[in-house]
Amino acid sequence: AQKITQTQPGMFVQEKEAVTLDCTYDTSDQSYGLFWYKQPSSGEMIFLIYQGSYDEQNATEGRYSLNFQKARKSANLVISASQLGDSAMYFCAMREGPSGSQGNLIFGKGTKLSVKP
Amino acid sequence: GAVVSQHPSWVICKSGTSVKIECRSLDFQATTMFWYRQFPKQSLMLMATSNEGSKATYEQGVEKDKFLINHASLTLSTLTVTSAHPEDSSFYICSVLPSGRAGELFFGEGSRLTVL
Repeated sequence: AQKITQTQPGMFVQEKEAVTLDCTYDTSDQSYGLFWYKQPSSGEMIFLIYQGSYDEQNATEGRYSLNFQKARKSANLVISASQLGDSAMYFCAMREGPSGSQGNLIFGKGTKLSVKP
Repeated sequence: GAVVSQHPSWVICKSGTSVKIECRSLDFQATTMFWYRQFPKQSLMLMATSNEGSKATYEQGVEKDKFLINHASLTLSTLTVTSAHPEDSSFYICSVLPSGRAGELFFGEGSRLTVL
């Protein structure tokens, strides 16, 4: 069964607008970590934001925020004030174990974001 | 600056040859490193977990004799693709789990392998 689901293969957003990238996850663990990574065309994986399952507040990192809804098992990424350089693939990922500390990352299929000028 | 260095970034080789990819942790020690494979326009798929001083743990369907992993030190893991075939052409990327730390994994820049 798929553990990380990203239902949007591609998204378009106008420059300077906000965009939400969806991510739902499936786990029976009580402790886990949720991550978002950005992968530009060059291929490197750029860490954006992390949310622990026991974190009560939604994580924020600059223009990135994670809308964590534990009961719905969703961890959507919100990018505010989109920039042209935000155009890339975005992957949601999960790691199970205390604070998401153990094991490998399980990735979703990704969402290709295109920012229009 | 980069905290994980992966080398080479690009490699082209002939069928039947072996290729070694290095993943080096620059800023911290790592008892665990992960090797992923990514086909074009697809997600990252875990190949194996590299453990310092012990044998790697391979995911189901990954041939351990073909993809040799060596984690000889706390800062270096290598992936060797042996007797490469064109279907091994892919993007290989490593990630590092800093010892004793929770949270973020750090990724290398990736290595794009093309087998002719």
